[in-house]
Amino acid sequence: DTAVSQTPKYLVTQMGNDKSIKCEQNLGHDTMYWYKQDSKKFLKIMFSYNNKELIINETVPNRFSPKSPDKAHLNLHINSLELGDSAVYFCASSQGLMSRATYNEQFFGPGTRLTVL
Amino acid sequence: QQQVKQSPQSLIVQKGGISIINCAYENTAFDYFPWYQQFPGKGPALLIAIRPDVSEKKEGRFTISFNKSAKQFSLHIMDSQPGDSATYFCAASGYTGTASKLTFGTGTRLQVTL
Repeated sequence: DTAVSQTPKYLVTQMGNDKSIKCEQNLGHDTMYWYKQDSKKFLKIMFSYNNKELIINETVPNRFSPKSPDKAHLNLHINSLELGDSAVYFCASSQGLMSRATYNEQFFGPGTRLTVL
Repeated sequence: QQQVKQSPQSLIVQKGGISIINCAYENTAFDYFPWYQQFPGKGPALLIAIRPDVSEKKEGRFTISFNKSAKQFSLHIMDSQPGDSATYFCAASGYTGTASKLTFGTGTRLQVTL
């Protein structure tokens, strides 16, 4: 009955490889997010999708490509991995978009720890 | 550009004591201020949140104090327990033109000792 799940939990790979992280939510939410948490625990939004549509795209290298096949899934594909991509990546979801005067709690997955060697 | 500054970076409190974590923000357009709690190996989870039209919100042992003029807000944990040991993040929500997004503080690692 996991609300937001991610696979894999750990990912160790070599520089230059391409890898994907999958995220699924069973909360019936419309909005999903990807966050990056670096080694200092700083948490920063990367992307958000609403009803499969890209809404927020922060200043992220275009090696990172999110894909939302349906409202319950948001995957993250990373091309040509670099050492600096090592981090914990969190998927999250919320009932809908947050906007002025609309505050929707974000539910986070357990994270995927990516290590690039 | 760090828009939400959080302090202290780490905090050790005795069981039963009061834990206080402070945050300051720069963007006056922020309109929602949540606090998230993260245990090791887990994702952050919403703890408590406040809107800028109130100066204080209390939920059980957790209280947010908000000072709009000073652009500061803080989390107070009363009667701190060992189970409260976690990393706490303040955040602020700001509208980007299409949707709002959360900007997080740098986190405070709280350890509650016996």
